[in-house]
Amino acid sequence: EPEVTQTPSHQVTQMGQEVILRCVPISNHLYFYWYRQILGQKVEFLVSFYNNEISEKSEIFDDQFSVERPDGSNFTLKIRSTKLEDSAMYFCASTGTDSYEQYFGPGTRLTVT
Amino acid sequence: AQTVTQSQPEMSVQEAETVTLSCTYDTSESDYYLFWYKQPPSRQMILVIRQEAYKQQNATENRFSVNFQKAAKSFSLKISDSQLGDAAMYFCAFSDSNYQLIWGAGTKLIIKP
Repeated sequence: EPEVTQTPSHQVTQMGQEVILRCVPISNHLYFYWYRQILGQKVEFLVSFYNNEISEKSEIFDDQFSVERPDGSNFTLKIRSTKLEDSAMYFCASTGTDSYEQYFGPGTRLTVT
Repeated sequence: AQTVTQSQPEMSVQEAETVTLSCTYDTSESDYYLFWYKQPPSRQMILVIRQEAYKQQNATENRFSVNFQKAAKSFSLKISDSQLGDAAMYFCAFSDSNYQLIWGAGTKLIIKP
């Protein structure tokens, strides 16, 4: 069964550094999403992406965040200058055009020290 | 703005018994989707069951079923014949035509052997 993959599974970085989280959505899916979950808290929507542009973004998704689909398979989330409060689990998800169900990747745990 | 409320931070049930997890939501939309996701300690997000708001019939998936009350904006999850592997965080989530998921705070389900 096709699945969403994410790399790395765990990323440790120092405050102020840039990180890129990578996702490979299911191959025929066209809608992509990033969510984050701070430990012990609810999952929060960050951004949705369709047709090579952002379709929706939350208040959390400020100028330090950006998303890109650099090629036909990867979908990346970049955090330009990480802060301690960016420490969280980041989930990527994708949806096809014939379904509203979002398929989630296993997540990347980001630790900012 | 849409909101999702899970009023039970933690629930416990004896193995083989039945448990119901509560979820209420608030929206002015008439067409939307509701989901229950399971998050085990691995933190992978696993879809348990989904419900389209336009369907009156409650969704069922094996031991999992929902009680969808559209007028009351209630969407509870019933787990029958609870098994040790059901122990996890359970999140209720709402999606409208924008497809972004709005999440509840989660309910930790403990299964007593």
